[in-house]
Amino acid sequence: DAGVIQSPRHEVTEMGQEVTLRCKPISGHNSLFWYRQTMMRGLELLIYFNNNVPIDDSGMPEDRFSAKMPNASFSTLKIQPSEPRDSAVYFCASSSTDGNTIYFGEGSWLTVV
Amino acid sequence: AQSVSQHNHHVILSEAASLELGCNYSYGGTVNLFWYVQYPGQHLQLLLKYFSGDPLVKGIKGFEAEFIKSKFSFNLRKPSVQWSDTAEYFCAVTSSGGGADGLTFGKGTHLIIQP
Repeated sequence: DAGVIQSPRHEVTEMGQEVTLRCKPISGHNSLFWYRQTMMRGLELLIYFNNNVPIDDSGMPEDRFSAKMPNASFSTLKIQPSEPRDSAVYFCASSSTDGNTIYFGEGSWLTVV
Repeated sequence: AQSVSQHNHHVILSEAASLELGCNYSYGGTVNLFWYVQYPGQHLQLLLKYFSGDPLVKGIKGFEAEFIKSKFSFNLRKPSVQWSDTAEYFCAVTSSGGGADGLTFGKGTHLIIQP
């Protein structure tokens, strides 16, 4: 069974550019999470969805960040415009609502120069 | 709101030494507790989890953790570490409603095992 799939794995972009990160959750999972990992702040929950509906986006740092989940098998995290301080590893994760275990993708390593 | 505190940010041990990593959480209700491991350059992998029942839980790779409710603790242990255990270890908590509301992570403990 495929795990959580993220793309791109690595991205280097210039400040001011739009960045779109993509995630395909594990089939059958109905909760999806976006986390950001940095040295300074550790792992932070940015936003999560249940049944494609955003439940809590209080972790989204500012309006430059947005996330969508148009269907059960796909989600995007967009940063527009990007800034150097957005450089981090962005993890997508999914779980079933009764499974109680969250499974992580391999992360998208973003560098904004 | 939930919070997780991991007391040791960096731990250095020699191979075959015993390991205990501390984790305390703050939450007023019933919780589910997790330990995840992140090997260098890789994603987080689940080591073990506690939902209910026996407070001593065993995970993969010889790891175990003990939930002590009165101390709000969920310390990770391994009797004899190996060089391959070098990694970042994260304790995490979620309310007992399950994974549906996301995990709150501690800051992590960077474990280095010296040969």
